[in-house]
Amino acid sequence: GEDVEQSLFLSVREGDSSVINCTYTDSSSTYLYWYKQEPGAGLQLLTYIFSNMDMKQDQRLTVLLNKKDKHLSLRIADTQTGDSAIYFCAEGASNDYKLSFGAGTTVTVRA
Amino acid sequence: DAGVIQSPRHEVTEMGQEVTLRCKPISGHNSLFWYRQTMMRGLELLIYFNNNVPIDDSGMPEDRFSAKMPNASFSTLKIQPSEPRDSAVYFCASSLGPGGEQFFGPGTRLTVL
Repeated sequence: GEDVEQSLFLSVREGDSSVINCTYTDSSSTYLYWYKQEPGAGLQLLTYIFSNMDMKQDQRLTVLLNKKDKHLSLRIADTQTGDSAIYFCAEGASNDYKLSFGAGTTVTVRA
Repeated sequence: DAGVIQSPRHEVTEMGQEVTLRCKPISGHNSLFWYRQTMMRGLELLIYFNNNVPIDDSGMPEDRFSAKMPNASFSTLKIQPSEPRDSAVYFCASSLGPGGEQFFGPGTRLTVL
């Protein structure tokens, strides 16, 4: 795996959109993932995108992938207090069992 | 499926004691991963197995740490002797194939006094 970088903190008002950004360096990445970790819990897969896609939408979640710039983003529409968590991006390659995780972005939703 | 199962959920021990963490991966998954999470260092991959064979243990911090996977449905992570700096949450995860989604267990919160 290669380096995956994310900003560490994001504060957003309830009802606004959140955008979490991630950059990666491995050009052989096949899958890109967003995991969510709530306090005291393990990581749970939120959504994923194949590297041959540009966008994926799933209810309030929109994933955008710019493969040329190796930039991945997760947009959460109408952010709710239950969205407060740590969000990890991760990349995986078809020739490697490991995933490379970013450091995680702590999202705080304020009223 | 019950998901990845880890035990114990919480462990408090004294410095110098042996600690054994346990993991049962999802049935049918052929890869198993041990991670450690701390505030200071974030999420670190310690070791992973494929088909019960250790593939990469470069993340294991010291010889005090060892991991085994005697069969496809069970793995242990052992720390002997434990030290206060080993205090962390230890996660086990399993997956089906290269680059595939990893399913995480709930973690074991270890406190070494």
